[in-house]
Amino acid sequence: DAGVTQSPTHLIKTRGQQVTLRCSPKSGHDTVSWYQQALGQGPQFIFQYYEEEERQRGNFPDRFSGHQFPNYSSELNVNALLLGDSALYLCASSTPSYNSPLHFGNGTRLTVT
Amino acid sequence: AQKVTQAQTEISVVEKEDVTLDCVYETRDTTYYLFWYKQPPSGELVFLIRRNSFDEQNEISGRYSWNFQKSTSSFNFTITASQVVDSAVYFCALLMIKAAGNKLTFGGGTRVLVKP
Repeated sequence: DAGVTQSPTHLIKTRGQQVTLRCSPKSGHDTVSWYQQALGQGPQFIFQYYEEEERQRGNFPDRFSGHQFPNYSSELNVNALLLGDSALYLCASSTPSYNSPLHFGNGTRLTVT
Repeated sequence: AQKVTQAQTEISVVEKEDVTLDCVYETRDTTYYLFWYKQPPSGELVFLIRRNSFDEQNEISGRYSWNFQKSTSSFNFTITASQVVDSAVYFCALLMIKAAGNKLTFGGGTRVLVKP
């Protein structure tokens, strides 16, 4: 039973560039959430997708956008990268139930230079 | 607004010692869930335990136990007889029950180092 898979594992980009991160949810899960984790801090909620629509969004600028596909996989896009966007980006999947535990992937380490 | 505070940034123990991690949360809602997650060096957040706001009964699951006190808004977590494999960052998280979405608010984490 495959868990949550994310790609790529590491990425280096330059300021101003755009990046796309990918996530495949755990089998049986149809809800995908994205979190940003800066070094030494707890994860911060970016947004959540369910039925191919953004269901909830955290305090992140419009430079952060996402998409969910019919197979429940998801992408996180970040435009006009800033140095402060350097972080570990975690994808989590769950069922739609409000108290369903989130299952996380290993994350994508993004470095912006 | 909701907030989770983990005052301990790092705890170092010798193997077989017990480790207690503190968590204090803030919320105006009366219905919510609390979680503990473990993050090993691999980066993946691993779900450990979940407790809802209506159930203050403290439980033990293997070497893990937790102490939920609604009166003081605390949800402490204990690892009994620690092992080297317990070395990781531990996060306390709060889930507000909204009409849509299950967004988690995390604390800053506590790094646990278990020495052999």
